[in-house]
Amino acid sequence: KAGVTQTPRYLIKTRGQQVTLSCSPISGHRSVSWYQQTPGQGLQFLFEYFSETQRNKGNFPGRFSGRQFSNSRSEMNVSTLELGDSALYLCASSLGQGVSGGYTFGSGTRLTVV
Amino acid sequence: GQQLNQSPQSMFIQEGEDVSMNCTSSSIFNTWLWYKQDPGEGPVLLIALYKAGELTSNGRLTAQFGITRKDSFLNISASIPSDVGIYFCAGRYGGTSYGKLTFGQGTILTVHP
Repeated sequence: KAGVTQTPRYLIKTRGQQVTLSCSPISGHRSVSWYQQTPGQGLQFLFEYFSETQRNKGNFPGRFSGRQFSNSRSEMNVSTLELGDSALYLCASSLGQGVSGGYTFGSGTRLTVV
Repeated sequence: GQQLNQSPQSMFIQEGEDVSMNCTSSSIFNTWLWYKQDPGEGPVLLIALYKAGELTSNGRLTAQFGITRKDSFLNISASIPSDVGIYFCAGRYGGTSYGKLTFGQGTILTVHP
């Protein structure tokens, strides 16, 4: 059973540009959550999608957005990049319903803004 | 953002020693999860806890969901070099929280052969 796949693994962008990251969940998982990981703030929740609908949102500015497709694949977009957006972006997939079931993470996309 | 209080921040131990780390929160969680992260990789789920008081083992790892639902601990027995990494606790509120996990700051574990 394939795991969570995130592409690309590494990305270098310039301030002011925008970026799109992709996440393919485990087959059968309908929920995809996104997290930002930095040395200073740790792992912070960005948003979660279930059946193409945003179900939860963290405390990030509107420059951070996402979407989910009918096959459960998800993308997140960051517009007008700032130096502080440099981070490891992780997505996690889960069944999305019920109490039980862990959240499986991908290997992440390392974004560097210069 | 809100985070759990995880301690200790780091540990340096000898191979064969037991390890204990814990997380506390001012809020109640319905689910506690423990993850391990290696450099350059995403967190890997070690143990999931769903009921207050629950004690669960996974090989040399044992974790408990605190009775108050505001804390959890993870024990590693007879540590080995491959236990090196960063360990995170994560909590999930009930209701509509679904995929939203709140993470601790992590415990960096170093094991000396």
